Amino acid sequence: NAGVTQTPKFRILKIGQSMTLQCAQDMNHNYMYWYRQDPGMGLKLIYYSVGAGITDKGEVPNGYNVSRSTTEDFPLRLELAAPSQTSVYFCASTYDPQAGGTDTQYFGPGTRLTVL
Amino acid sequence: AQKITQTQPGMFVQEKEAVTLDCTYDTSDQSYGLFWYKQPSSGEMIFLIYQGSYDEQNATEGRYSLNFQKARKSANLVISASQLGDSAMYFCAMTFTDKLIFGTGTRLQVFP
Repeated sequence: NAGVTQTPKFRILKIGQSMTLQCAQDMNHNYMYWYRQDPGMGLKLIYYSVGAGITDKGEVPNGYNVSRSTTEDFPLRLELAAPSQTSVYFCASTYDPQAGGTDTQYFGPGTRLTVL
Repeated sequence: AQKITQTQPGMFVQEKEAVTLDCTYDTSDQSYGLFWYKQPSSGEMIFLIYQGSYDEQNATEGRYSLNFQKARKSANLVISASQLGDSAMYFCAMTFTDKLIFGTGTRLQVFP
């Protein structure tokens, strides 16, 4: 049971380049989330998904796209990278976001992205 | 709109002392959950404790307890007997419908 995995761990992009951040979970969770964490700040929700084929915007969706073709995978796409997208990106998943307790959100280790 | 506020950017505490990290929230929902996470310098997010809006007892998990005051909309984290390894960022978070939103965090530093 690997939990939530993210690739890559680090990436440097040039302005205007595109890339996909990969996220996968093996816990059969329906709910998956993408957050970004700017230096010294909290996590802001970019996009989330409540199941395969269903995605919705969070607090800061501009400049990003997502898809959810399977329960396991939830990739995040950056189309035209900008310096403002320099951040640490976390993927998370949960079975039921309202259940709490041990059924909390499980986080991946993060991807550190720098746009120059 | 739902909002989480942590007003303490940084806190210091001496080893073995207790410390309280403040969290207030704003929501019109009746059903919600409140979480605390720890983020050490290594960067991972570690779940500490959960309180449901209908839970009448304050949640406790080892040295962590959550002081839940529903009428005041506060969910403060109390760490008893602080240890050097408790030095980290601490985030309060709230679920509503399908989402989890985070506060800006409090950096706790424990000194000998």
